[in-house]
Amino acid sequence: DGGITQSPKYLFRKEGQNVTLSCEQNLNHDAMYWYRQDPGQGLRLIYYSQIVNDFQKGDIAEGYSVSREKKESFPLTVTSAQKNPTAFYLCASSILLAGLNEQFFGPGTRLTVL
Amino acid sequence: GQQLNQSPQSMFIQEGEDVSMNCTSSSIFNTWLWYKQEPGEGPVLLIALYKAGELTSNGRLTAQFGITRKDSFLNISASIPSDVGIYFCAAITGNTPLVFGKGTRLSVIA
Repeated sequence: DGGITQSPKYLFRKEGQNVTLSCEQNLNHDAMYWYRQDPGQGLRLIYYSQIVNDFQKGDIAEGYSVSREKKESFPLTVTSAQKNPTAFYLCASSILLAGLNEQFFGPGTRLTVL
Repeated sequence: GQQLNQSPQSMFIQEGEDVSMNCTSSSIFNTWLWYKQEPGEGPVLLIALYKAGELTSNGRLTAQFGITRKDSFLNISASIPSDVGIYFCAAITGNTPLVFGKGTRLSVIA
């Protein structure tokens, strides 16, 4: 059963705590991405990775960190430096093949910081 | 940076009506994608377009890649209540990350 899994679905944290969101894919995709979505808003890119042990900042990377130690996994850490972390976080993946750019999304994690 | 202008922002339609939404940009893209997102879920890919002028259907959905490579539209025919959701366009050139529109929120009145 191939796909992208994100866990947990809902996450609650106290202000000032770091929290790590999990994203795993078994699609053998090269690239993985993290997006943030706020109510009524579109998707904003946080970080992406096209190869293991390498990643690039997206449009809103401040206050976030990532790692890509395995092809299948791309965890996102929301640090205490992120001023407004409450949001819906989406992970996605895609192959990197010329002319084929379909990106597939996980079910998302809703983070609430109290 | 590159931006996609998606319209309309929201639509309220009667069940059975046809729907049309579009995305435009000042930049040229090689691929256009259309996604649907239901509340609390991740976006699901509906249609992918890879060739300028291409017209592709998926059931009641039809999408076209504009001939100028700067726009795309999505039509939904004979809408049903389960069509409710947010529809996003996305576009890409090369291996850069997707650029997304801000979405069209569709509500269907039975």
